[in-house]
Amino acid sequence: DAGVIQSPRHEVTEMGQEVTLRCKPISGHNSLFWYRQTMMRGLELLIYFNNNVPIDDSGMPEDRFSAKMPNASFSTLKIQPSEPRDSAVYFCASSLRTGIDKTQYFGPGTRLLVL
Amino acid sequence: DAKTTQPPSMDCAEGRAANLPCNHSTISGNEYVYWYRQIHSQGPQYIIHGLKNNETNEMASLIITEDRKSSTLILPHATLRDTAVYYCIVESGAGSYQLTFGKGTKLSVIP
Repeated sequence: DAGVIQSPRHEVTEMGQEVTLRCKPISGHNSLFWYRQTMMRGLELLIYFNNNVPIDDSGMPEDRFSAKMPNASFSTLKIQPSEPRDSAVYFCASSLRTGIDKTQYFGPGTRLLVL
Repeated sequence: DAKTTQPPSMDCAEGRAANLPCNHSTISGNEYVYWYRQIHSQGPQYIIHGLKNNETNEMASLIITEDRKSSTLILPHATLRDTAVYYCIVESGAGSYQLTFGKGTKLSVIP
C-alpha cells in the first residue's frame, strides 16, 4: 500500500485566500483524522471521521475551517479565508478501528504558509 | 486518559541500544501504551504498542513494568536514521479514539 497520501506537500498563499488540503487514506481504513502541528502548540487533533461521518470536530479552531469526507477514499480540509496564524504543518492520518486497536498511520503532511 | 512523562532529550551512540523511558503512573487497567516517532519534517510513525506484556517487532521492543506504571522503548542497534522525537502515549482501548501527543523525547544518535 502507498500509505496515506496528502496533497499538496507545500502551499504558500496570501492572507484571505482559500486553501484546500487533500487526503487519501489507506485503502480499507474506516477512520480518518486531521491534525495540525506548530512549534508552539505541538500536534493537535482538528477533526475525526469514522465511516465518512464527522464524529468530533471540537478541535477545529473556528468557522473558517471546514472538513469533508465525501467517500471512503478522499477527504478535504478547507480554510476560508486563510490567516497568517494558520501557518502550520497539517497531517492526515487513517486507521482501521478493529476492537481496541487504535493505531494511526500518518501522511507526510502539507506545509502551509500564509503570508 | 493517563498522562505520560518523558525526558525531553537523550543521546545514544550509533550501534548501541537506545532505551527511552516513559512514566505513566496513573494508567488504568484498559489503557494501552503506544509509541510513535517523528523524524524531522515527516509525519509521525507508529512503532509499537502494548497492554501489559512485553512486545517486540522489527523496529523495537517495548518493556512494560509489572505494575504498568512505566515502560521502556528499546531500539536495539540505534542508527543515525533513528534520530527523531519519540512519543509515548497512553490511550484507552474501548470507546476513545484519540491519540494525545505530548512533547516526547528528542533522541539524538551520535556517530
